[in-house]
Amino acid sequence: DGGITQSPKYLFRKEGQNVTLSCEQNLNHDAMYWYRQDPGQGLRLIYYSQIVNDFQKGDIAEGYSVSREKKESFPLTVTSAQKNPTAFYLCASNQGQNQETQYFGPGTRLLVL
Amino acid sequence: SQQGEEDPQALSIQEGENATMNCSYKTSINNLQWYRQNSGRGLVHLILIRSNEREKHSGRLRVTLDTSKKSSSLLITASRAADTASYFCATDLLNQAGTALIFGKGTTLSVSS
Repeated sequence: DGGITQSPKYLFRKEGQNVTLSCEQNLNHDAMYWYRQDPGQGLRLIYYSQIVNDFQKGDIAEGYSVSREKKESFPLTVTSAQKNPTAFYLCASNQGQNQETQYFGPGTRLLVL
Repeated sequence: SQQGEEDPQALSIQEGENATMNCSYKTSINNLQWYRQNSGRGLVHLILIRSNEREKHSGRLRVTLDTSKKSSSLLITASRAADTASYFCATDLLNQAGTALIFGKGTTLSVSS
């Protein structure tokens, strides 16, 4: 099946800990995106990548880091510098040209212990 | 940064009624998209309307775009309980290839049977 997957579904972070959220797609899409969603809010862009080995900061990149070593993978690390990490994290992908439809994964809910 | 703003924030209707949601944005766009999100899930693309289009239909969905007023509306006709979800508009930035979509905060639609 073609699609975009995220794991884990729930993730718990301890104080001062870095955690990594996985995002994988087999749609052969060039572009991938990470969004953060807080309760009752819209999506805010954290990082995006238009091509392998390249990525750009979004509106709220502080406290997060990403890598894009493979076309199909775009992991997001929530570092200890992110003081309010509790949120729903959504990964998306698309062909990258002219900002057409984005395809979303099911999301990861991050909670702080 | 530019952002679409949906109105109303919440909408409650009975099955069979029509639901109308509005989106306003600030600067010129290439296209505007509407997405749906069921509680705790990822977003699903509904429809894309380009800046040179005024109206578009897809099943029970009707989207209009008024670029002079920088606004769009999403009409869901003959609503069903299964339409209960949050609906988001998303805009790109005109001539800003390589940038991501900007999402609004969404309208939460509740359809009761």
